[in-house]
Amino acid sequence: KNQVEQSPQSLIILEGKNCTLQCNYTVSPFSNLRWYKQDTGRGPVSLTIMTFSENTKSNGRYTATLDADTKQSSLHITASQLSDSASYICVVSGTGGGNKLTFGTGTQLKVEL
Amino acid sequence: DGGITQSPKYLFRKEGQNVTLSCEQNLNHDAMYWYRQDPGQGLRLIYYSQIVNDFQKGDIAEGYSVSREKKESFPLTVTSAQKNPTAFYLCASSGLGQGYSSDTEAFFGQGTRLTVV
Repeated sequence: KNQVEQSPQSLIILEGKNCTLQCNYTVSPFSNLRWYKQDTGRGPVSLTIMTFSENTKSNGRYTATLDADTKQSSLHITASQLSDSASYICVVSGTGGGNKLTFGTGTQLKVEL
Repeated sequence: DGGITQSPKYLFRKEGQNVTLSCEQNLNHDAMYWYRQDPGQGLRLIYYSQIVNDFQKGDIAEGYSVSREKKESFPLTVTSAQKNPTAFYLCASSGLGQGYSSDTEAFFGQGTRLTVV
């Protein structure tokens, strides 16, 4: 069964600090992996996308890494801001079948003063 | 502006009632999806559609129904058979590319929060 597991489940950090979120998946065959940011009560918004041939992708203060051999991804947030407080969801897409997506349960990040 | 629109934002349902959640997109996407989100859980797929007049059950389709009469629209009906309908519902759409391009990115609506009263 295709699964995506994220850790930690929740995280509290001080403003200005860095943090790293983890994602492990068992989706096969693999097509791409995306990280989404979801603010409370809103729909998720895509941050990065990586295919099996990409190791690193950056979007401002967000840097995602992918190890397709170990089926692990991480999202690193640099110099956190209060507005980074949100749920971060790892989503993996398999090939074929019309882009059916497998979602992780998300990491709830809270940035405090 | 291109995008995906869900309505209403908040919806209250009485016991035994059917309610319909609207989802419209003007992104010319072939695929549309309905997800349910509960606290502490990942998004779970209810139904998805890749083409007009065709749709497939997801992981938790019981108590729900959908239609895809137009490419732009994919309404979800929560029937009285759904015993625990209180949740946050998200609609999404995407292209049907090979997975290596932004065409396969799923764009989400802002969600509908359904509460049983």
